[in-house]
Amino acid sequence: LAKTTQPISMDSYEGQEVNITCSHNNIATNDYITWYQQFPSQGPRFIIQGYKTKVTNEVASLFIPADRKSSTLSLPRVSLSDTAVYYCLVWSNFGNEKLTFGTGTRLTIIP
Amino acid sequence: DAGVIQSPRHEVTEMGQEVTLRCKPISGHNSLFWYRQTMMRGLELLIYFNNNVPIDDSGMPEDRFSAKMPNASFSTLKIQPSEPRDSAVYFCASSLEYGQGAHEQYFGPGTRLTVT
Repeated sequence: LAKTTQPISMDSYEGQEVNITCSHNNIATNDYITWYQQFPSQGPRFIIQGYKTKVTNEVASLFIPADRKSSTLSLPRVSLSDTAVYYCLVWSNFGNEKLTFGTGTRLTIIP
Repeated sequence: DAGVIQSPRHEVTEMGQEVTLRCKPISGHNSLFWYRQTMMRGLELLIYFNNNVPIDDSGMPEDRFSAKMPNASFSTLKIQPSEPRDSAVYFCASSLEYGQGAHEQYFGPGTRLTVT
């Protein structure tokens, strides 16, 4: 299981674009990159998943370079409600591999 | 859809008592997961089921913990006897069948357990 490394915390002002980078140097061919968001007193919520290049949905974009050893979650024009912990996970599409949450990145949006 | 339902939302009990946490997964989901979250250890996977069958319980801390899934719409996590170090938020999550690209897990609101 590829291990991920991401910053423990980040601060940003409202209205700015926030980029959270995750390192996964040992990512395997079958691995996908998945991001979850967790608000205080709630369970994590799936945000986005990708395998390579770029994925975009209504919430975020995920950028994955060609070597796939890192990925960047991009949140456009953040608001106070985006204050949460963001988890980067690497997960294989085959077998019964466990989904392992690390410590995540605590993002604080400043008014 | 009501989402994943957990009960109770809060539980306070004394050391040595039995605690039972309950979960109703999203209808149609074949995989169910139990997690525990603490400040010290973060979010840990305890056990997960595929089609009501336990697949991996290696995350269960010790024999005091047990989980069952008697049918597709109900699961329990039991702690007997409970200890103060079991205090945590316990999450249940469900997804389409695990191991086949089912990357998206839907989490319940959690049960906050306090053992005094």
